[in-house]
Amino acid sequence: GAGVSQSPSNKVTEKGKDVELRCDPISGHTALYWYRQSLGQGLEFLIYFQGNSAPDKSGLPSDRFSAERTGGSVSTLTIQRTQQEDSAVYLCASSPQGQGGDYTFGSGTRLTVV
Amino acid sequence: GENVEQHPSTLSVQEGDSAVIKCTYSDSASNYFPWYKQELGKGPQLIIDIRSNVGEKKDQRIAVTLNKTAKHFSLHITETQPEDSAVYFCAASRGGGKLIFGQGTELSVKP
Repeated sequence: GAGVSQSPSNKVTEKGKDVELRCDPISGHTALYWYRQSLGQGLEFLIYFQGNSAPDKSGLPSDRFSAERTGGSVSTLTIQRTQQEDSAVYLCASSPQGQGGDYTFGSGTRLTVV
Repeated sequence: GENVEQHPSTLSVQEGDSAVIKCTYSDSASNYFPWYKQELGKGPQLIIDIRSNVGEKKDQRIAVTLNKTAKHFSLHITETQPEDSAVYFCAASRGGGKLIFGQGTELSVKP
């Protein structure tokens, strides 16, 4: 596609429920990244995919968070048993080869846990 | 660990003035330094980047300088316009994998 697409754009969920966030990267981009942005804060790295493998998962805050990528394309970020502190904007970015350049961000999914 | 500090957190200028935002990084292996502009409700957009083999790069009203020895890099916006108002983020990476972001600078350009 023309850009990085994320869905849903907004998600409100009850505490304790599981949520899935989706990212469709730019076609042909082999690297994909997930970041979290809390209100008024910077971007916190979560996980990086090169193809379907994740060489860096160091930013996932707990074992309630997981992500996968299939076919070297779409990625889903899953948060289990959501907590109020999970409320944030979750941003996805992709880049051509993961060599430090040309990162393009999606518009994000705003997650609110009530 | 890897860290990027960004200052100031807020910056207010008059239209036509210059704005400067500064960042320092901790990882001496960092070699790629992009700057992003984020408008309300949107994802960050790349506005300019610089690699460690270059000391300065300019694109119209925007310039970035890099001092590898001091591990500093700065964004300079000249002749600011109201549409420059946004949150600006600096970032650093080793040239593969994740970007480490600064905390952001909210720039307000007053007409």
